[in-house]
Amino acid sequence: QKEVEQNSGPLSVPEGAIASLNCTYSDRGSQSFFWYRQYSGKSPELIMSIYSNGDKEDGRFTAQLNKASQYVSLLIRDSQPSDSATYLCAVNTGFQKLVFGTGTRLLVSP
Amino acid sequence: GAGVSQSPSNKVTEKGKDVELRCDPISGHTALYWYRQSLGQGLEFLIYFQGNSAPDKSGLPSDRFSAERTGGSVSTLTIQRTQQEDSAVYLCASSSRDRFPSGANVLTFGAGSRLTVL
Repeated sequence: QKEVEQNSGPLSVPEGAIASLNCTYSDRGSQSFFWYRQYSGKSPELIMSIYSNGDKEDGRFTAQLNKASQYVSLLIRDSQPSDSATYLCAVNTGFQKLVFGTGTRLLVSP
Repeated sequence: GAGVSQSPSNKVTEKGKDVELRCDPISGHTALYWYRQSLGQGLEFLIYFQGNSAPDKSGLPSDRFSAERTGGSVSTLTIQRTQQEDSAVYLCASSSRDRFPSGANVLTFGAGSRLTVL
């Protein structure tokens, strides 16, 4: 079982819709969870972090964490074509090692 | 520096040659990571340095790979006797550990070094 799992996609949504990206992790002791966005040919950049169960909102982005289910998600409201990228889920598994999922490719069509 | 700097940005080498990839982290960042990203794949953890602690080398794929960090700043990733499967983008990231109460590291990535082994 992979430490961090994501559906590779692509996830296709029309402009203005809500995009929902999901991630599961295997280490129940994980404490910190991150979403990075990676445009094609570019390096990953942090867009959200979450540490407590529940929702965390930042502009059009909402991160959701459920530690009991070992599940973290990212919602993007009012999706824009510029949101088209690969979204990487990352989990701090202890000893400060940050483990990434393989990423979900999001395509937002005009 | 203002960001994480990596060199070279592109490296083409012949199978069997050794290569060195360099990372200059953000000034003051105590944590430094190396990841590898093959075409269309996620980030594969290689090695992690934190201050003066012993590095976490658990992700290095073979003994052909090694890394060092001199003076708690610049890091060099060395790949000996390169193989075609080593072709990938090698990403370096640094972090300031003190940023969050949990101690979690929020990473800033460099632009990467693209390695092609012929």
